[in-house]
Amino acid sequence: AQSVTQLGSHVSVSEGALVLLRCNYSSSVPPYLFWYVQYPNQGLQLLLKYTSAATLVKGINGFEAEFKKSETSFHLTKPSAHMSDAAEYFCAVRGDTGRRALTFGSGTRLQVQP
Amino acid sequence: SQTIHQWPATLVQPVGSPLSLECTVEGTSNPNLYWYRQAAGRGLQLLFYSVGIGQISSEVPQNLSASRPQDRQFILSSKKLLLSDSGFYLCAWSKPDSPNGELFFGEGSRLTVL
Repeated sequence: AQSVTQLGSHVSVSEGALVLLRCNYSSSVPPYLFWYVQYPNQGLQLLLKYTSAATLVKGINGFEAEFKKSETSFHLTKPSAHMSDAAEYFCAVRGDTGRRALTFGSGTRLQVQP
Repeated sequence: SQTIHQWPATLVQPVGSPLSLECTVEGTSNPNLYWYRQAAGRGLQLLFYSVGIGQISSEVPQNLSASRPQDRQFILSSKKLLLSDSGFYLCAWSKPDSPNGELFFGEGSRLTVL
């Protein structure tokens, strides 16, 4: 079975500060991992994905994530937060090859303070 | 390029009324199609997925149903809505030969049941 745990339903940072959103996964096979972003009343947009090529993955809008197998983690970071980063972020996993759909975490709402 | 459309964008329905949400994908053939529901603070829950016309897999027992009458059309329905059916419904697609299952989302349909 595959699952995702996102620690912290709400994270607040100051503009210009480091953004760190945490994601831990569970999978019985080597996983594919994703981060999506959702702005209010919109669908989800892919930020980045891990597909086993490189453990450090760079995405759009300055975000990156590092796959750490030993810690079963895929945390999302950005060195300097911008007001436009305020949104909800979802981590997702595809592990079990018999399951076509992605399994999502419960989401983390990022607030950026001026 | 591929696009995905969902409608209606918002819907307010009384308890016990029927529901029909539609989703179409353009620019690709034989996509895998998905319906997710997003309830406040609960992340995304997979409701249905389809790998072809007339092929529907249900993830969660409920009073909702899905149909795929055409290759790129996916419909979510209910005969009688419950209050608990309120939420944000997201249609998504993936490439049929995608090894990692990356999803591409529509803009969502917000359903309020009163």
